[in-house]
Amino acid sequence: KQEVTQIPAALSVPEGENLVLNCSFTDSAIYNLQWFRQDPGKGLTSLLLIQSSQREQTSGRLNASLDKSSGRSTLYIAASQPGDSATYLCAVTGNTGKLIFGQGTTLQVKP
Amino acid sequence: GAGVSQSPSNKVTEKGKDVELRCDPISGHTALYWYRQSLGQGLEFLIYFQGNSAPDKSGLPSDRFSAERTGGSVSTLTIQRTQQEDSAVYLCASSYAQGLGYEQYFGPGTRLTVT
Repeated sequence: KQEVTQIPAALSVPEGENLVLNCSFTDSAIYNLQWFRQDPGKGLTSLLLIQSSQREQTSGRLNASLDKSSGRSTLYIAASQPGDSATYLCAVTGNTGKLIFGQGTTLQVKP
Repeated sequence: GAGVSQSPSNKVTEKGKDVELRCDPISGHTALYWYRQSLGQGLEFLIYFQGNSAPDKSGLPSDRFSAERTGGSVSTLTIQRTQQEDSAVYLCASSYAQGLGYEQYFGPGTRLTVT
């Protein structure tokens, strides 16, 4: 059974810092991996989608990497801003396209 | 264009009552997914539709839960005889097609509170 783990559960950093969020999964037979952002009381916003054949994806200040063989992904956020404060969720896609989520990392960026 | 919409945004119901939650996917998206987000359980898959059929219902927690999709578009999740443990945010997502490579787009969710 696929399990997804995110470390750390919570993170607080001063504005301007670069930071890394970690995601690991137990079964390397995934189709893709998505990183999402969730603001309090809101739905999920997709940030980056990495196909299983890819190693990384970039969007603005965000860079996500994927090492399928070791079951790990990282989300790198450069020059963090207070507006980046949210919960970040990692999810892998199984064989019907359903997403299996980690518990999330709650990020607070202090001005 | 319009994103995934869900209604109602909030629902408070008494234990034992039935509730219906609605999801309108992005136009043209053939795959539709229901998830549940509750405290202590995180985000869990409930059911998946490809067109009007549901090939994977493995996440439905009990036979009190059912879902249907009509016309390959709108989906309704029904919870019968609600229990307090059903309190959660129910999220719907759609994608252009099932599986490989297709991004899922989420609605804002329905917050269900069972009193």
